[in-house]
Amino acid sequence: DTAVSQTPKYLVTQMGNDKSIKCEQNLGHDTMYWYKQDSKKFLKIMFSYNNKELIINETVPNRFSPKSPDKAHLNLHINSLELGDSAVYFCASRQHGSSNTGELFFGEGSRLTVL
Amino acid sequence: DQQVKQNSPSLSVQEGRISILNCDYTNSMFDYFLWYKKYPAEGPTFLISISSIKDKNEDGRFTVFLNKSAKHLSLHIVPSQPGDSAVYFCAASAIRGGADGLTFGKGTHLIIQP
Repeated sequence: DTAVSQTPKYLVTQMGNDKSIKCEQNLGHDTMYWYKQDSKKFLKIMFSYNNKELIINETVPNRFSPKSPDKAHLNLHINSLELGDSAVYFCASRQHGSSNTGELFFGEGSRLTVL
Repeated sequence: DQQVKQNSPSLSVQEGRISILNCDYTNSMFDYFLWYKKYPAEGPTFLISISSIKDKNEDGRFTVFLNKSAKHLSLHIVPSQPGDSAVYFCAASAIRGGADGLTFGKGTHLIIQP
């Protein structure tokens, strides 16, 4: 029973298209994240949502729009895809609060290739 | 501006020996540090963590050491096993359990040789 699941796992698309990646967690966590791992292997935070409210929005182009219909889901929609958007996108979750270990639980990643 | 640095892209260690992975950080506000392990085509999985109030945390074969004055931490794996071959990410947080997420290093690819 997967704790953090992302779909699709692989996505190949043309430049200019719009695509979405979905994420769901069944851990009961109230905070969810999107991370991007680019060709240089850096894992960089893009967005953080706590109880459906946007907490962190790093310097990400406006073409990226996260949507959280409820605290168990955080989807990532990308408009007008560019070659530089090719990367592996990881969804993650954790429970907010100082009593927790602070560890993030990651999904398996979604590899996006823009041609 | 890398706030968490792992200067060794790869490390090769013989099976049974000790593996030592290093990590440096620059942000003095970081107070919680974690190590993640990642296999190809999988997401990172939590391995071990340490709070800034401690200088050592041990869990089985894995021990993390923290030197706050040097802003340096290391992960020791002993004895190293073939299944330990993976990419190891060092991560840090400024607010334990907060919604700020984690800042990651670039990772070190550990290769355990038989």
